[in-house]
Amino acid sequence: GAGVSQTPSNKVTEKGKYVELRCDPISGHTALYWYRQSLGQGPEFLIYFQGTGAADDSGLPNDRFFAVRPEGSVSTLKIQRTERGDSAVYLCASSSQGGVYGYTFGSGTRLTVV
Amino acid sequence: AQSVAQPEDQVNVAEGNPLTVKCTYSVSGNPYLFWYVQYPNRGLQFLLKYITGDNLVKGSYGFEAEFNKSQTSFHLKKPSALVSDSALYFCAVRDFTGGGNKLTFGTGTQLKVEL
Repeated sequence: GAGVSQTPSNKVTEKGKYVELRCDPISGHTALYWYRQSLGQGPEFLIYFQGTGAADDSGLPNDRFFAVRPEGSVSTLKIQRTERGDSAVYLCASSSQGGVYGYTFGSGTRLTVV
Repeated sequence: AQSVAQPEDQVNVAEGNPLTVKCTYSVSGNPYLFWYVQYPNRGLQFLLKYITGDNLVKGSYGFEAEFNKSQTSFHLKKPSALVSDSALYFCAVRDFTGGGNKLTFGTGTQLKVEL
């Protein structure tokens, strides 16, 4: 597609529930990144995919967070047993050439855990 | 690890005046530096980057940034501010620590341009 698409744009869930956030990158971009942005903060790195594999998952905060990219295109960020502290905007970005020239970000999914 | 710092939470400037949004960096090796802008309820939009070459980098919407190695700074500038430039600005550095590949962002600077 023309840009990075993230769905849903907003998600409200109850504490303890499971959620999935979807990212559809720019066609042909091999690298995909997930970031989390809390209110008043800069984006924080979660995970980076090169193709289908997670090349760097050092930013995932704990084992409740997991992400997949089975066909090297669409990615899903999965959060188990959600907590109120997980409330944030989750941003996805994609790039070509290993991101040397920067990334293209989606508009994000605003997750609210009540 | 690579890092950037944005010392100002907010910058206020009158329309038509020049603006500067400050960023300093701490890296090992050559820095890859970026500026992004974020409008309310929108994703981050790329403004410009410094990889190598000229210290004055020109980007989108009339913005430019000056790379200063001796002061480890990469300040964002615009000669004449517009009200529509009001937004949240992030400086970022490319981080290859531990074999990774990510952008590490600053905390952001809210720019307010007033009539």
